[in-house]
Amino acid sequence: TQLLEQSPQFLSIQEGENLTVYCNSSSVFSSLQWYRQEPGEGPVLLVTVVTGGEVKKLKRLTFQFGDARKDSSLHITAAQPGDTGLYLCAGMPHNTNAGKSTFGDGTTLTVKP
Amino acid sequence: DTGVSQDPRHKITKRGQNVTFRCDPISEHNRLYWYRQTLGQGPEFLTYFQNEAQLEKSRLLSDRFSAERPKGSFSTLEIQRTEQGDSAMYLCASDKGGQRANYGYTFGSGTRLTVV
Repeated sequence: TQLLEQSPQFLSIQEGENLTVYCNSSSVFSSLQWYRQEPGEGPVLLVTVVTGGEVKKLKRLTFQFGDARKDSSLHITAAQPGDTGLYLCAGMPHNTNAGKSTFGDGTTLTVKP
Repeated sequence: DTGVSQDPRHKITKRGQNVTFRCDPISEHNRLYWYRQTLGQGPEFLTYFQNEAQLEKSRLLSDRFSAERPKGSFSTLEIQRTEQGDSAMYLCASDKGGQRANYGYTFGSGTRLTVV
């Protein structure tokens, strides 16, 4: 059983559309990160959320951390082909000592021109 | 600082051979992590170091895998007697550590291992 469940697994949309992807868990997290990964490369950190209910914006990307710190969402406005990639969420459960992050299996986003 | 560097980028080896990968983290980062990623999956934790001390090793990691960080700087990951199931992308990451929460890693570009 995955600690972090991401949905949808695959998403294909046209340029200019909006989308939301989700990261859910039954565990509480001290913090949660979103990464974007392109084929053949390592993940690149987009954002870290720490406080329940927190909303962070990065240009056309909006990240939200759930009030209970068990889930998160990523919303992209007016998607562009350059947004194509694998979006991963990751976090460290609250009841563990500082250490490794656990990753979800990601959402593969394809934005068609 | 040019970020996290991994070498080689690609490695093709015959089953049964030993392979070694190197990771150079960001210089001021105390913690170094190794993850493995297969197609369609997220990165899976292998092991991590705080300076030169190996603090945790995944139970999924067989005895054929060993990692070192001898002077608290670069790290090596060795796989002995490789098997086809070891084929994956091996990712190295680093962060400053020392915090109760994780504020995110800087990853290298990975080493793609293919065992034939």
